[in-house]
Amino acid sequence: GESVGLHLPTLSVQEGDNSIINCAYSNSASDYFIWYKQESGKGPQFIIDIRSNMDKRQGQRVTVLLNKTVKHLSLQIAATQPGDSAVYFCAENLRSSASKIIFGSGTRLSIRP
Amino acid sequence: KAGVTQTPRYLIKTRGQQVTLSCSPISGHRSVSWYQQTPGQGLQFLFEYFSETQRNKGNFPGRFSGRQFSNSRSEMNVSTLELGDSALYLCASSLSGATDTQYFGPGTRLTVL
Repeated sequence: GESVGLHLPTLSVQEGDNSIINCAYSNSASDYFIWYKQESGKGPQFIIDIRSNMDKRQGQRVTVLLNKTVKHLSLQIAATQPGDSAVYFCAENLRSSASKIIFGSGTRLSIRP
Repeated sequence: KAGVTQTPRYLIKTRGQQVTLSCSPISGHRSVSWYQQTPGQGLQFLFEYFSETQRNKGNFPGRFSGRQFSNSRSEMNVSTLELGDSALYLCASSLSGATDTQYFGPGTRLTVL
């Protein structure tokens, strides 16, 4: 079936440390994966994406890793800052469903000073 | 370039009423998708419109409907409101859908009493 899930609902990280947020997906037909950040009172904000023909993609302070063998996706945030506090969603786009994006349940990232 | 705008931002209705929400996509974007976000169910895809046609639909009852105008602006309508329809309704636009990056608006917070 279609499902995207997250291993941990909350994550607390020391400011300056790296954060790793994990995600599992179940549909091997998915070919596009996205990470979104949602701050309180706002809509989800695109962070980074990756297509299924890649296993790693880097952005500014963020890296997404895709392991298709175990259907696992992770988001790494380097040198976590207070402004990174938010809920992070992984999402998948199903090849057969055009623009239908399936979101995971989200991980709340909190930063300790 | 202006982002996705949604109106109204907040809405209070009573059971049995109907409601219409509006979304103006980013200029040049032709695909508009709608999502419902609740604490219990997370972010769920409602439907997607492209060139005034519904191209994709999620698993919601027929009380949820939408349309898109020639200028790509979109509206969604919920008839015979139920308490469980209380949610944040998010609109996202993209150039043409599929694996194009979706940009979200701030959402409309609907409360059904």
